[in-house]
Amino acid sequence: AQKITQTQPGMFVQEKEAVTLDCTYDTSDQSYGLFWYKQPSSGEMIFLIYQGSYDEQNATEGRYSLNFQKARKSANLVISASQLGDSAMYFCAMREGRRGGGNKLTFGTGTQLKVEL
Amino acid sequence: NAGVTQTPKFQVLKTGQSMTLQCAQDMNHEYMSWYRQDPGMGLRLIHYSVGAGITDQGEVPNGYNVSRSTTEDFPLRLLSAAPSQTSVYFCASRLGQGINYGYTFGSGTRLTVV
Repeated sequence: AQKITQTQPGMFVQEKEAVTLDCTYDTSDQSYGLFWYKQPSSGEMIFLIYQGSYDEQNATEGRYSLNFQKARKSANLVISASQLGDSAMYFCAMREGRRGGGNKLTFGTGTQLKVEL
Repeated sequence: NAGVTQTPKFQVLKTGQSMTLQCAQDMNHEYMSWYRQDPGMGLRLIHYSVGAGITDQGEVPNGYNVSRSTTEDFPLRLLSAAPSQTSVYFCASRLGQGINYGYTFGSGTRLTVV
């Protein structure tokens, strides 16, 4: 079974609108961390936001927020007020506690987001 | 600027050639790792190190060697390049073991094996 599933290969959003990128995960560990990265066309990996499994509140970083639903094992990224510069590939990733291989960051296959005028 | 530096940015190899991808970080991070990125597959872990002198295999280690003689450097060696190793390679580091520690990525090396 896939550890990280991103079911949207591509998404379009109009400038200034909000968009949600889906991510579901699979783990038996109680302690884990969820990360979102942005990869623009230039290729670098840019860290956006982190959510810990024990965090009671959803993480927020500027225009980025993480809709964390632990029981459903989902960690969707919400980008508010989209900008043209948000056009990029977005990856969801998970790091599990030591029993699950704590030194590995497992990535989903990514969602290509395009922001349109 | 502080961060993770990868060299070269681009490389073309012939099948059977060997080469070393360099990775250096100046943040005194204990943990370093190498990933490869292939279309439609996300990033996959090749090898990682939790400190100088300590390395271990990741998900796709075959055909690659690593060593960690210093905290700063973590080179990735391709022993005998194959077309299947055509990929984009990323080096990443993080400060410590805590689950919340984020990863800093280098800018990547695009390798083509012909």
